[in-house]
Amino acid sequence: DTGVSQNPRHKITKRGQNVTFRCDPISEHNRLYWYRQTLGQGPEFLTYFQNEAQLEKSRLLSDRFSAERPKGSFSTLEIQRTEQGDSAMYLCASSSSGGAPEAFFGQGTRLTVV
Amino acid sequence: AQKVTQAQTEISVVEKEDVTLDCVYETRDTTYYLFWYKQPPSGELVFLIRRNSFDEQNEISGRYSWNFQKSTSSFNFTITASQVVDSAVYFCALSDIAGGGADGLTFGKGTHLIIQP
Repeated sequence: DTGVSQNPRHKITKRGQNVTFRCDPISEHNRLYWYRQTLGQGPEFLTYFQNEAQLEKSRLLSDRFSAERPKGSFSTLEIQRTEQGDSAMYLCASSSSGGAPEAFFGQGTRLTVV
Repeated sequence: AQKVTQAQTEISVVEKEDVTLDCVYETRDTTYYLFWYKQPPSGELVFLIRRNSFDEQNEISGRYSWNFQKSTSSFNFTITASQVVDSAVYFCALSDIAGGGADGLTFGKGTHLIIQP
């Protein structure tokens, strides 16, 4: 297993456009998390999946954001009508509920809204 | 509410010096995990260590050591004989145990460590 994979690594979009990011977790991990990180800050929790169920959402996740994990494997994060304030690094992490609690992170998708 | 404070925004030392990164946390949970992650310029967060709130035994792993003190709500990280490759941003993080990790990790703002040759 090569770890958590995120695509694309970079995305530049115009304000108002929709964007979608993909995360492929470590294959045996049933827990998946999305975080957002802005410059000079630590990652901030956005949402959590256990298998295909989205069990927790942060108040940071406005109604323009939606995340899915349809078969309990990969996940997508969509941002509709992007705003300049959405520019950030979006990080995905996975862990196992039956094993060690530490989460393993992907390299992130850096979004720039112009 | 949980909070993690890393008061040191940036630390710069010369190679081979020892350096300690401070972390202070706040939580109402009686059981929790504490973590340290490293973020090199490539951007990927690399897991370094986890401690349980009920295990205050300090740990040493090679040049790395961690000092967990529940009485002062601190979880400090020391690098001995620092190397240029240690240059990165280091994050301290906290999560509860009872909630099963559903709320994710609460991170500090990170400490940017610069090791000069």
